[in-house]
Amino acid sequence: QVQLVQSGAEVKKPGSSVTVSCKASGGTFSTYAISWVRQAPGQGLEWMGQIIPIFGTANYAQTFQGRVTITADESASTAYMELSSLRSEDTAVYYCARSRGNSLIYYFDYWGQGTLVTVSS
Amino acid sequence: SSELTQDPAVSVALGQTVRITCQGDSLRTYYASWYQQKPGQAPVLVIYGKNNRPSGIPDRFSGSSSGNTASLTITGAQAEDEADYYCNSRDSSGSYVFGTGTKVTVL
Repeated sequence: QVQLVQSGAEVKKPGSSVTVSCKASGGTFSTYAISWVRQAPGQGLEWMGQIIPIFGTANYAQTFQGRVTITADESASTAYMELSSLRSEDTAVYYCARSRGNSLIYYFDYWGQGTLVTVSS
Repeated sequence: SSELTQDPAVSVALGQTVRITCQGDSLRTYYASWYQQKPGQAPVLVIYGKNNRPSGIPDRFSGSSSGNTASLTITGAQAEDEADYYCNSRDSSGSYVFGTGTKVTVL
């Protein structure tokens, strides 16, 4: 059974950066994409970007281009999401999720438990 | 960028059927996937592809698609189905987009 375990809650000052980790177990880490999705309080889900660890390259949602960096450490089966220049609107729960699919069918089959990031002065 | 539109809220009587729809241009090319989210919990995949259910998802959940609209149907809704439901699709740029979400209330 695949499990994604994320790092703990963070409180950050505006203008700083945060890094959230996502450790995978129970499956083949390198060949599946890991996506990051966030959810602001009382709001919907928002896709931020993804990485396929074996290739090492990430693609990002336009909204976050230039502010988010997604990386992966294959040896540790862990993906990371760094968000910089934090502002209060970045207060949200951040999820990692395994992305799967090909051709016309894509989906997120396993999710981490979520990490609350609070941005406050 | 792509958008997926859902009705904000629907209600259904216990044991009855409810359909949740998701509209967007990307659905003309890619299948939607559907996620159930209960308060304080991570989303759970309930439907993907043409009409596929992951292991453990009850068969009262089903999916369909036509043109730019994808639908999730709950046949014989149970109290535990009360949750927020989100559709998702890949888009032509290789990104993903989530729907606006539908809150399902079981009466």
